[in-house]
This record gives sequence, C-alpha cells and structure tokens, in this order.
Amino acid sequence: DSGVTQTPKHLITATGQRVTLRCSPRSGDLSVYWYQQSLDQGLQFLIQYYNGEERAKGNILERFSAQQFPDLHSELNLSSLELGDSALYFCASSVSSGATNEKLFFGSGTQLSVL
Amino acid sequence: AQKITQTQPGMFVQEKEAVTLDCTYDTSDPSYGLFWYKQPSSGEMIFLIYQGSYDQQNATEGRYSLNFQKARKSANLVISASQLGDSAMYFCAMRLDQTGANNLFFGTGTRLTVIP
Repeated sequence: DSGVTQTPKHLITATGQRVTLRCSPRSGDLSVYWYQQSLDQGLQFLIQYYNGEERAKGNILERFSAQQFPDLHSELNLSSLELGDSALYFCASSVSSGATNEKLFFGSGTQLSVL
Repeated sequence: AQKITQTQPGMFVQEKEAVTLDCTYDTSDPSYGLFWYKQPSSGEMIFLIYQGSYDQQNATEGRYSLNFQKARKSANLVISASQLGDSAMYFCAMRLDQTGANNLFFGTGTRLTVIP
C-alpha cells in the first residue's frame, strides 16, 4: 500500500458528461501529480500541484482542470467527456516540489470508461 | 527534449533465472534521475529502484539492480532469481532537474512474463 488514496476505483459515464476524480496524498507529502494511462498514449503527465499551487503542466486538455485543497487532497475534473478520454487516471504524491531523486508514490488509479 | 525508450514490448524468463530489461534515455541535462516502476495486473504503480546521474555506483534494491551506463545513456533493470510474482509491466522513467518540468517521463514499458 503506497499510502495514496484514489476514489472512485471505477467510473462509467457517457460522452458529454463531467466527472471528478479525487486523490489523497501520503501523509506529509506536499506534491500531487496526475497521470493518464491509455493504450495508445502510454503514461502521460497531466499536471502537478505543490502545496496548493500549480507547479508544472503537461499534456492536459483544456476540458480538464485540477486543484489542490488546503488539506492537500486534490481533484481532477474532466468535462465534456469524449470516448478517447477513457483511460486509467493515476494520482501520485511526493514529499516536496520534485528534486531529481524524489520518488513518486502512486495510487491504485481510477479506471474511467466513457460510453 | 527528453525521451525514454524501451525497445522490448515483451520478455519471457524462466523462473529463478535473471533477466535484463532495457532502457535508453536522451537528455542534454547533466542532472537527472532514472527510475523503474512495476505495474502488476492489478494496476498500481510500484517504485522499484532509483539511479542518479551523478551516482558513481549502480543502484541495487534486493533482487533489483540497475546497470547504469552513462556514456551510452542506458539504465537497464536486472532482476535476479525471477519469481512468478515478477510477471508485470515494467516502466523506465526519467526526471530532470528543471523548475517547472520536474515530473516523471515514462517509457512505453516492457511486459515481463515469468515461466514456471
């Protein structure tokens, strides 16, 4: 158990809908990262938050947004969903803002299916 | 731009044998970190081993070791005495020492199957 909690584990929804994925980092970790894993794109970095502030941005679509709350949990909001958004969404956390030797600890992921 | 390449989509190994999973990387940054993660069929990503670009010795963690060849830009994972539970996807990843880009970049992965 990595200590990173993601809910829900599975989510099935329809095109055009909006969903929220939730992540609680390991106790003491200040950074939260969101990754998308799909068969065609592999593991893609979406966004990182550090202590409530956006720290780094990757291949995140404009239809997607995220935030990190004062208690350090994070939410990833996906809107106007398309079939291609179906993927496994991971949250990860780390102790600080991201030194090169800093390990990321991953949650078990949320499997999103858009029908 | 940084890039991680894993050229072996799938590998098979006999139980109790050693196996090497290949990883090459490309970056012009002098400071970087290299990681290996394991993803079993249950889906979670499990950290295995880390190697820093300035580390003089190859990293080892139990049955896992990292064969780091800096000049060749390779960071191969060696698993000794393979076990059935080692069957999983294995991802190589790199992290650069850049503000605003300090996330992990992943390769496409290698699926390892351990044969009894």
